[in-house]
Amino acid sequence: DAGVIQSPRHEVTEMGQEVTLRCKPISGHNSLFWYRQTMMRGLELLIYFNNNVPIDDSGMPEDRFSAKMPNASFSTLKIQPSEPRDSAVYFCASRGLGAGNYNEQFFGPGTRLTVL
Amino acid sequence: AQSVSQHNHHVILSEAASLELGCNYSYGGTVNLFWYVQYPGQHLQLLLKYFSGDPLVKGIKGFEAEFIKSKFSFNLRKPSVQWSDTAEYFCAVTRNTNAGKSTFGDGTTLTVKP
Repeated sequence: DAGVIQSPRHEVTEMGQEVTLRCKPISGHNSLFWYRQTMMRGLELLIYFNNNVPIDDSGMPEDRFSAKMPNASFSTLKIQPSEPRDSAVYFCASRGLGAGNYNEQFFGPGTRLTVL
Repeated sequence: AQSVSQHNHHVILSEAASLELGCNYSYGGTVNLFWYVQYPGQHLQLLLKYFSGDPLVKGIKGFEAEFIKSKFSFNLRKPSVQWSDTAEYFCAVTRNTNAGKSTFGDGTTLTVKP
């Protein structure tokens, strides 16, 4: 298995532009998580899905951020319009359920976003 | 709401020193516990996990952790660290409910001096 796939790996954009980050979870996993990591705030959970349904989006910073999961193999995180303070590494992670327990999350390589 | 506390923000050790990183969580119900490691410039990877059974869990690269339910703790240990263990370490807790959100601690940066 290729693991969690994220694209692009790096994104540099100007303030005000729309940014779309993409994630392909591990096949068969039914939970997907979006995180943001910065030096100042550490690792923050933005939103997560179970079976393609958003369960908790309380970590989404503001209305400029939106996430979708149209099917079990694809999710997007969109920022519109982007601002310099959105610069961070964005990680996607997926997880499978097993016998009533919650297994570990598998993280993707991340997308390093720089907003100028 | 559940929370996870990692008391040490930055730990500096010399090679061959012993390591213990603290992790405490606030939730009183059934939990699953994890330690992840993030090497410089990389993504988080699982070190070890606890679901049930023996409270002393052994993971990769010589790491182990002990679940002490009465203390709500899941401390990470390694008897002899190496320079290659330099990384950031995250403790995470997942409540064993249908929601299943994981809560991560703020992380502990470990620097091992050669």
